[in-house]
Amino acid sequence: KAGVTQTPRYLIKTRGQQVTLSCSPISGHRSVSWYQQTPGQGLQFLFEYFSETQRNKGNFPGRFSGRQFSNSRSEMNVSTLELGDSALYLCASSLDPEAATNEKLFFGSGTQLSVL
Amino acid sequence: GESVGLHLPTLSVQEGDNSIINCAYSNSASDYFIWYKQESGKGPQFIIDIRSNMDKRQGQRVTVLLNKTVKHLSLQIAATQPGDSAVYFCAENNAGNMLTFGGGTRLMVKP
Repeated sequence: KAGVTQTPRYLIKTRGQQVTLSCSPISGHRSVSWYQQTPGQGLQFLFEYFSETQRNKGNFPGRFSGRQFSNSRSEMNVSTLELGDSALYLCASSLDPEAATNEKLFFGSGTQLSVL
Repeated sequence: GESVGLHLPTLSVQEGDNSIINCAYSNSASDYFIWYKQESGKGPQFIIDIRSNMDKRQGQRVTVLLNKTVKHLSLQIAATQPGDSAVYFCAENNAGNMLTFGGGTRLMVKP
């Protein structure tokens, strides 16, 4: 079974640009979450999607957005990039977070975004 | 958990010894806790989890202890191996899949 797949693996952008990152969850997983990882702030929750609806949102500005498609694949978008947006963006999937025994999150390897 | 910024606390152990990694969590209402291992260039990998109605849970070579009174988690790794070298994160589940991660501890295993 393939794991969580994130593309691209590396990305270099300049300030002011926008970027779209893609995530394909494990087959059968319906929940997709996004996290930002930086050396200074660690791992921080961005948002979670389930059945194409955003269910939870972290404390990030509106420049960060996402969506989920009917096949559970997800994208996140960051507009008007700032230097501080340089980070590893991680996607994680799970079967169904409402199911008592299936809350395990499986992470992809991430997209390393560098903003110059 | 608390972020420790750029300088991760480091635990250095001899191969074959037992390792204990500690974590303080912040929300007394959290009911689900997870330990993750992250190797260089990879995403966090699930190790073991525990619910708040338990004090201890064992896996293969790993044990998680939960002390709700002082909001403390620990991960014990038995017979630590070089392949265990990584950064370890504890996480508490707040809602859905909204996890709050600790700052991480780097485990270095000396051969």
